[in-house]
Amino acid sequence: KQEVTQIPAALSVPEGENLVLNCSFTDSAIYNLQWFRQDPGKGLTSLLLIQSSQREQTSGRLNASLDKSSGRSTLYIAASQPGDSATYLCAVCGSNDYKLSFGAGTTVTVRA
Amino acid sequence: EAGVTQFPSHSVIEKGQTVTLRCDPISGHDNLYWYRRVMGKEIKFLLHFVKESKQDESGMPNNRFLAERTGGTYSTLKVQPAELEDSGVYFCASSPLGVGSTEAFFGQGTRLTVV
Repeated sequence: KQEVTQIPAALSVPEGENLVLNCSFTDSAIYNLQWFRQDPGKGLTSLLLIQSSQREQTSGRLNASLDKSSGRSTLYIAASQPGDSATYLCAVCGSNDYKLSFGAGTTVTVRA
Repeated sequence: EAGVTQFPSHSVIEKGQTVTLRCDPISGHDNLYWYRRVMGKEIKFLLHFVKESKQDESGMPNNRFLAERTGGTYSTLKVQPAELEDSGVYFCASSPLGVGSTEAFFGQGTRLTVV
């Protein structure tokens, strides 16, 4: 059974600082890993998807790395802005069942 | 192009009543998933449709939950009778192929409160 852990649970930083969000998973038999953003009362917005064969994926100020063998992924957000305040969720797609297993999320607050 | 849409956005019902949630996936997406987040817990898988067929319903909590996908288009999730522990946010997601190969696109969720 896949277990996904996100550390820290909450993070508060001043505007302009870089953000580092961590995700770990117990079963390395994954198909891909997806990072989502959730704003309060809203749905999930897909940020980045990393295939199991990839080491990283970039989109604008966002960069996600994947180390499948050690069961870890890191989401970097450069030069944070108050608009980056949200909950960030890591989800791992199993290679056997294609289900997404989610972490509990990291709630980020960027102070102006 | 419209994203995944869910109805209603909120629902408050009394214990013992019936509620039906609806999900309209992105047009052309054969895969449709239901997930649920109950208070203080992670988002958990409920079931997976490929077109109109249930591919995997191992996450359905009990037989009070019934999911259907008529004609491989929209899907409904019925809870009958609802219990207090069913409260939470129900998410629907769709993808054009197996989630393993492409991104999963999520709806905004339905917040269900059972009182």
